[in-house]
Amino acid sequence: QVQLQESGPGLVKPSETLSLTCTVSGGSMSGYYWSWIRQPPGKGLEWVAYIYSTENTAYNPSLKPRVTISVDTSKRQFSLRLSSVIAADTAVYYCARGPVPDSTPYYFDYWGQGALVTVSS
Amino acid sequence: QSVLTQPPSVSGAPGQRVTISCTGSSSNIGAGYYVHWYQQVPGTAPKLLIYGNNNRPAGVPDRFSGSKSDTSASLAITGLQAEDEADYYCQSHDSSLSAFVFGTGTKVTVL
Repeated sequence: QVQLQESGPGLVKPSETLSLTCTVSGGSMSGYYWSWIRQPPGKGLEWVAYIYSTENTAYNPSLKPRVTISVDTSKRQFSLRLSSVIAADTAVYYCARGPVPDSTPYYFDYWGQGALVTVSS
Repeated sequence: QSVLTQPPSVSGAPGQRVTISCTGSSSNIGAGYYVHWYQQVPGTAPKLLIYGNNNRPAGVPDRFSGSKSDTSASLAITGLQAEDEADYYCQSHDSSLSAFVFGTGTKVTVL
């Protein structure tokens, strides 16, 4: 059973950089896409970015200028960096496996429990 | 601002059937992209409920079913149970936005 666990600071100051890491256990990272998805308090879900390999990444255009996703398969981890954060970036950040590119693409089949990141001075 | 629109809430008595609509456009559902559904119990992570329009992952009861037509999709829950009380989100891909998109979310209440 694939399990994902987010880790990182729960409080970030405005204009600084948010950094989160997702650790994957129970399955191989190879051959899969890995994503970050966020959910502001009381609101809906927003896909942030995915990574397949260092050379294969994609970002939500609304966040692209500020977002970087990376992967370290030797550590079974992938990470998110979001720069110049503002209060509107306050959200629960989920890491997830996907988008799964099988015969019925593209969904997210395994999710972490989520990490609340608050942007405040 | 989501490009997939869902009703804010639906409700039903135990045992009843409820449906949740997900309305998109020609750049997402209408473009042929698959629709997937997630169930989110408050305070927990979303769980994949339906993938590829109408497929259930292992362990999801057959009370849940999905369908798609033109620029919209629907999730049906038959034999509604108290444990089905949760938020439900549809998800697809949008070619104009070049992004994976989620619906606005629907809260299901069991009366």
